[in-house]
Amino acid sequence: GENVEQHPSTLSVQEGDSAVIKCTYSDSASNYFPWYKQELGKRPQLIIDIRSNVGEKKDQRIAVTLNKTAKHFSLHITETQPEDSAVYFCAASYPGAGKSTFGDGTTLTVKP
Amino acid sequence: DTAVSQTPKYLVTQMGNDKSIKCEQNLGHDTMYWYKQDSKKFLKIMFSYNNKELIINETVPNRFSPKSPDKAHLNLHINSLELGDSAVYFCASSPGLAGYEQYFGPGTRLTVT
Repeated sequence: GENVEQHPSTLSVQEGDSAVIKCTYSDSASNYFPWYKQELGKRPQLIIDIRSNVGEKKDQRIAVTLNKTAKHFSLHITETQPEDSAVYFCAASYPGAGKSTFGDGTTLTVKP
Repeated sequence: DTAVSQTPKYLVTQMGNDKSIKCEQNLGHDTMYWYKQDSKKFLKIMFSYNNKELIINETVPNRFSPKSPDKAHLNLHINSLELGDSAVYFCASSPGLAGYEQYFGPGTRLTVT
């Protein structure tokens, strides 16, 4: 089955700096790669996703890149703000999988 | 309108008891899930249902029994609760079978004493 590894497990940055979280996946059939943000005490929420026919996708300060050959994808957050502090999860899935396989999460702390 | 709702939000109970958590989605999605999030924040899938049919059972102890009366509802019943069952349980739904674009419920914090 699919295996998703996520790094780093914790990340601390100064406000205004950029943050990068990386994930690798094992199953070449995976074609959908979402990122979820979970604030303390809240539910995970989808913030951005990318499909395998696209190499990069941006939404304001966040972007996701995908390298299908190397089987890795990354989340980039620019001009970080304290409200970006949260746990971020990557995931991978493929048609008919019946699920997404999640990484173990990255706790991002943005220091004011 | 709430997209995915769960009840109760908190559940405190003693070892050996039986409890249920209910989940409802009003998004018209075909697939629903149960996840367990432990103290280390890992998000682990337990079950996946598509149009009331069980699709995924991730080697969950048979003390956990999900039931889907219709595609908008997925309930979780837990028998003989153990200390290790303490966690936050999230329900989620998505429009298709591939796990795309999941919407999560607010979670149920279960504490077993």
